Amino acid sequence: GAVVSQHPSRVICKSGTSVKIECRSLDFQATTMFWYRQFPKQSLMLMATSNEGSKATYEQGVEKDKFLINHASLTLSTLTVTSAHPEDSSFYICSAQRRVGELFFGEGSRLTVL
Amino acid sequence: AQSVTQPDIHITVSEGASLELRCNYSYGATPYLFWYVQSPGQGLQLLLKYFSGDTLVQGIKGFEAEFKRSQSSFNLRKPSVHWSDAAEYFCAVGSTSAGNQFYFGTGTSLTVIP
Repeated sequence: GAVVSQHPSRVICKSGTSVKIECRSLDFQATTMFWYRQFPKQSLMLMATSNEGSKATYEQGVEKDKFLINHASLTLSTLTVTSAHPEDSSFYICSAQRRVGELFFGEGSRLTVL
Repeated sequence: AQSVTQPDIHITVSEGASLELRCNYSYGATPYLFWYVQSPGQGLQLLLKYFSGDTLVQGIKGFEAEFKRSQSSFNLRKPSVHWSDAAEYFCAVGSTSAGNQFYFGTGTSLTVIP
């Protein structure tokens, strides 16, 4: 199946710093990628839809200035957590859409903010 | 509004026993339905999906699911569970009318005992 790679898989940062997470579709082009957040023992919550060449669409309650999303190419979307705080610690997962209804997920990035 | 309900938070079965995980959805149109599996600290892997046609769909690892429109359900089944099936299982619904977004249920954690 198609491969979606996330990097880094784990990151620890100090409070107040910014962290960038990359999501790459390795063997297909993805005009649309999605970013999710998952708290322990909970489901995935859609944060935003990332569209190549245009601004991301954020779900209600997600701070767009806090979670910056850039989809600069057909194979790469990035999520930057700005001025991170401990409450931003979470598991972030991206998915890339190869065609309608066909999503492939990255392996996730665990962010810990000290 | 679309929603996905997984009534069972946690299920424990004996190895070799049959398994059924429940999923109910609420959606205005005919949805795309999916089951994903997540191992601890990992991303999501697609088990199977339903778009249209035969309401009984076969997936990987011996899983199958049946779409029942009258019950708004898409339950996942496996005739004989293996210890390696222990994981978190998520039902998801998606549609092109929702901007190709996916919405996930809260998940069912499966424990397999020897």
